[in-house]
Amino acid sequence: KAGVTQTPRYLIKTRGQQVTLSCSPISGHRSVSWYQQTPGQGLQFLFEYFSETQRNKGNFPGRFSGRQFSNSRSEMNVSTLELGDSALYLCASSPSTGLKLVTEAFFGQGTRLTVV
Amino acid sequence: GQQVMQIPQYQHVQEGEDFTTYCNSSTTLSNIQWYKQRPGGHPVFLIQLVKSGEVKKQKRLTFQFGEAKKNSSLHITATQTTDVGTYFCAGPNTGFQKLVFGTGTRLLVSP
Repeated sequence: KAGVTQTPRYLIKTRGQQVTLSCSPISGHRSVSWYQQTPGQGLQFLFEYFSETQRNKGNFPGRFSGRQFSNSRSEMNVSTLELGDSALYLCASSPSTGLKLVTEAFFGQGTRLTVV
Repeated sequence: GQQVMQIPQYQHVQEGEDFTTYCNSSTTLSNIQWYKQRPGGHPVFLIQLVKSGEVKKQKRLTFQFGEAKKNSSLHITATQTTDVGTYFCAGPNTGFQKLVFGTGTRLLVSP
């Protein structure tokens, strides 16, 4: 099986711009989670989608949003970029079923976003 | 909210020395998972523990889940340079809909 694929791998944006990141989960996985990783804050949960529905959201401002498509692919969007949004954005898929997340997570290689 | 702390934050050892990282949750966990992230890489799932007091081994790595299911440890015997990376523990939140990751322990191994 192919692993979790994230595109693009690297991105440089200017403050005030918006960005869209993409994630293709492992085939058959319906749960996709997004994390922000920074040296100072570690792995911070952004949101989780299951069957096109956002089930849980972390403590991030409304500038961070996401969606999931019927094929389980997911995108996250950050609007009005700030310098502090520079981070590694990781997507993880999981063979979750029903209401509960089956917690083993398979991560993509991430998108390194730099805001200048 | 639920917090998962790990100690130490960083450890530098000589190759061949042992290493242990400890993970403590503010709430009882239904299970605990461990991940390894190599420098420049992404977290990779290592193992999941479910039962109170459970101990699992993977070659030189020994994982333990505490009796109260609020703490866990990862012990590496005779470290090698390939063990370099950051080790994260993680557990599901109360609603089982997200993983809460620990703060991580960064391991550096000198040859």
